[in-house]
Amino acid sequence: KAGVTQTPRYLIKTRGQQVTLSCSPISGHRSVSWYQQTPGQGLQFLFEYFSETQRNKGNFPGRFSGRQFSNSRSEMNVSTLELGDSALYLCATRRGVNTGELFFGEGSRLTVL
Amino acid sequence: QQQVKQSPQSLIVQKGGISIINCAYENTAFDYFPWYQQFPGKGPALLIAIRPDVSEKKEGRFTISFNKSAKQFSLHIMDSQPGDSATYFCAADKTGTASKLTFGTGTRLQVTL
Repeated sequence: KAGVTQTPRYLIKTRGQQVTLSCSPISGHRSVSWYQQTPGQGLQFLFEYFSETQRNKGNFPGRFSGRQFSNSRSEMNVSTLELGDSALYLCATRRGVNTGELFFGEGSRLTVL
Repeated sequence: QQQVKQSPQSLIVQKGGISIINCAYENTAFDYFPWYQQFPGKGPALLIAIRPDVSEKKEGRFTISFNKSAKQFSLHIMDSQPGDSATYFCAADKTGTASKLTFGTGTRLQVTL
């Protein structure tokens, strides 16, 4: 079966701009989580969505937001980009909320200049 | 606040040797401890996971050892192969309400010929 699909895979933005990243989960997976991966901080949890509702969130500023659609696809948005937002943004999906194996996509690599 | 500490940061092992990666956690509410393997350009993939009711779990060449009293767990890769060269992340989660994986900082493993 198809895996987790993230688009775009690579993008370059400048400070102050905003960006929207997309994630299509594995068929049947209704939970979508987002993680930020950087060399210095490793993998950090951003938020999790289930049934179009945010169920949990990490310690990131309000510039980071997300949403989930009725077909379980999810988007995350980062506004007023800062240099420190340069990272690999990973989407991970699972069948239910709060338990179960997470399946990761290959990520969207964001570079902020 | 780093709730899961992972060591070493990098590891070089000869082919056929044993690779050992250690993790320690602080939150005694954690009840799920997975290990993820990540190859360059790919998202992390679940390798093996354990719950605190067992002290060891083995899957092929990969073994998790778990010490609940010490709040430590480790990954052992027996007969390490060049194809095992990747970054390994330990993680911990409190399943149920507000589940979210907390990752260690990763160990870059290189298996030499």
